[in-house]
Amino acid sequence: DVKVTQSSRYLVKRTGEKVFLECVQDMDHENMFWYRQDPGLGLRLIYFSYDVKMKEKGDIPEGYSVSREKKERFSLILESASTNQTSMYLCASSLAQVNQPQHFGDGTRLSIL
Amino acid sequence: GDSVTQMEGPVTLSEEAFLTINCTYTATGYPSLFWYVQYPGEGLQLLLKATKADDKGSNKGFEATYRKETTSFHLEKGSVQVSDSAVYFCALIGRAGNNRKLIWGLGTSLAVNP
Repeated sequence: DVKVTQSSRYLVKRTGEKVFLECVQDMDHENMFWYRQDPGLGLRLIYFSYDVKMKEKGDIPEGYSVSREKKERFSLILESASTNQTSMYLCASSLAQVNQPQHFGDGTRLSIL
Repeated sequence: GDSVTQMEGPVTLSEEAFLTINCTYTATGYPSLFWYVQYPGEGLQLLLKATKADDKGSNKGFEATYRKETTSFHLEKGSVQVSDSAVYFCALIGRAGNNRKLIWGLGTSLAVNP
């Protein structure tokens, strides 16, 4: 069965810290995505990657960076965490072919104090 | 650009009631359309999809028909259960340009009471 695993369900960090969110998929998918989900704003795409070492900015990349050194792993990095980055973060993956659905992890609820 | 509009929630129904959640879209060409569901405390799961006009996607008693003439993909279920309480998202992948990204609606929260 399809599996996308996010390293933490809940995370609390302090303002200014560098924060790493990890995502691993076991489906050999080419595409991987990071979203944040906020009440009233739906899902907003932060970054995505369509191949190892490749990345593209989504709709709200400011304050974030990503790393994809291996096909199965996609990391989201908050360079200097701020309180407005408190949110639910969702990772997803999909095959490269046209019209393929995305498969999601259970999310990481991140609080920045 | 491409966009998805779905009805605002929350929607509150009694068990065994009929459910409709409206979704309309704007896209170039013929996008593929999806419904995702998010149960409390979980990530999103694909509920159903349709890739061409007049296709009907179905799963777990839910159905949605790809209507090109009205650019709609409304979600329906004949008899909802308490376990259907969740947030439902409509989404599309366009055919033009970069087709890796999903375009999302804002989600509709459904609460089903016993």
